[in-house]
Amino acid sequence: DTGVSQDPRHKITKRGQNVTFRCDPISEHNRLYWYRQTLGQGPEFLTYFQNEAQLEKSRLLSDRFSAERPKGSFSTLEIQRTEQGDSAMYLCASSFLPGPFTQHFGDGTRLSIL
Amino acid sequence: GENVEQHPSTLSVQEGDSAVIKCTYSDSASNYFPWYKQELGKRPQLIIDIRSNVGEKKDQRIAVTLNKTAKHFSLHITETQPEDSAVYFCAAGAISGTYKYIFGTGTRLKVLA
Repeated sequence: DTGVSQDPRHKITKRGQNVTFRCDPISEHNRLYWYRQTLGQGPEFLTYFQNEAQLEKSRLLSDRFSAERPKGSFSTLEIQRTEQGDSAMYLCASSFLPGPFTQHFGDGTRLSIL
Repeated sequence: GENVEQHPSTLSVQEGDSAVIKCTYSDSASNYFPWYKQELGKRPQLIIDIRSNVGEKKDQRIAVTLNKTAKHFSLHITETQPEDSAVYFCAAGAISGTYKYIFGTGTRLKVLA
């Protein structure tokens, strides 16, 4: 499968713990996006990378959130000191610039905070 | 701010009937409009998209129309089948800058056999 892959698929943790998610984009894609999706809502933009550069962060991304894409390939999203409100599906998407603007999504990581 | 409104939130149709989902966007800079289908527990998958220089696009049973003046775009599914049952999201993006998508809140489509 050469699509976008995310790991883990599910994460259950206690409030206050730190969690890290990984996203592996489609290999030739140079743009990588993180979105958050809560139940009954559409995905909300969090941040994006072009190659290894993080070019925009949403106001939704508090100081407890950090994302990296160190070599312009895979990306990690870390949440420190998790809160109940962080419970959501975290989706990663990738696309190629220049070229088709379509973002291809991964299956997401579902985070549950106890 | 940037916003995409989507209606209806739920839609039930009989198999073989048509379904229409409507979206309105606020950002005049938006010029790319994809539609995604998301089945329970699965990733959003692109089903059709349209750019602002085109008023309509069709792919078999699925069509999308765009009225850029009114900032409206719609998804039309004809001859619906039970496997069309899913949540559908519209989105608006700009083919410049971040290319981020602003998504609607989704429409749960149920096709009744």
